[in-house]
Amino acid sequence: NAGVTQTPKFRILKIGQSMTLQCTQDMNHNYMYWYRQDPGMGLKLIYYSVGAGITDKGEVPNGYNVSRSTTEDFPLRLELAAPSQTSVYFCASSYSTGGEKLFFGSGTQLSVL
Amino acid sequence: KQEVTQIPAALSVPEGENLVLNCSFTDSAIYNLQWFRQDPGKGLTSLLLIQSSQREQTSGRLNASLDKSSGRSTLYIAASQPGDSATYLCAVRRETSGSRLTFGEGTQLTVNP
Repeated sequence: NAGVTQTPKFRILKIGQSMTLQCTQDMNHNYMYWYRQDPGMGLKLIYYSVGAGITDKGEVPNGYNVSRSTTEDFPLRLELAAPSQTSVYFCASSYSTGGEKLFFGSGTQLSVL
Repeated sequence: KQEVTQIPAALSVPEGENLVLNCSFTDSAIYNLQWFRQDPGKGLTSLLLIQSSQREQTSGRLNASLDKSSGRSTLYIAASQPGDSATYLCAVRRETSGSRLTFGEGTQLTVNP
């Protein structure tokens, strides 16, 4: 039972480069989320999706883009990487947005130098 | 704006001790509150979820309580073990925030053998 799978686990980017963080879940969850966690801080929501074809901004969406073409996949795109985007990125999913627990991937540690 | 605070930031206890982790939030209009565990280099695992209408939830040696009116939640860990060493985060979902969770910064727990 894979749950939420994120790739890659680690990545180093140069300023201005682009990359896509991959996230897939096999639990048939409708809701998917991208969070970032800076050292010693709580998680902040970047984008979320309530179903295929529907996405919305979270607290810190600037510099990121997302798409949701299938129920299973929710990739996060960084177009022009900046040092401020150095962080650990977590993808999560839940069946609904109400009283359901969130299931998290193991994270992607990204450094922008 | 909802703010979530966890005190202490770090806690070190001997094995076998009962302990309490604290979480406070500024806006009592919450839908639910979750406690998560995060191991180094790993994603978050949901431990307990308390709906706003509930006062507490229990799972094994863990007991979480919620007092909406005072904006507080506690996570009680009985008979702590070295395997309980991790960072514990609480997160609240506001009634009007849709899919957004607001996370605290976490308490780093070390249980010494």
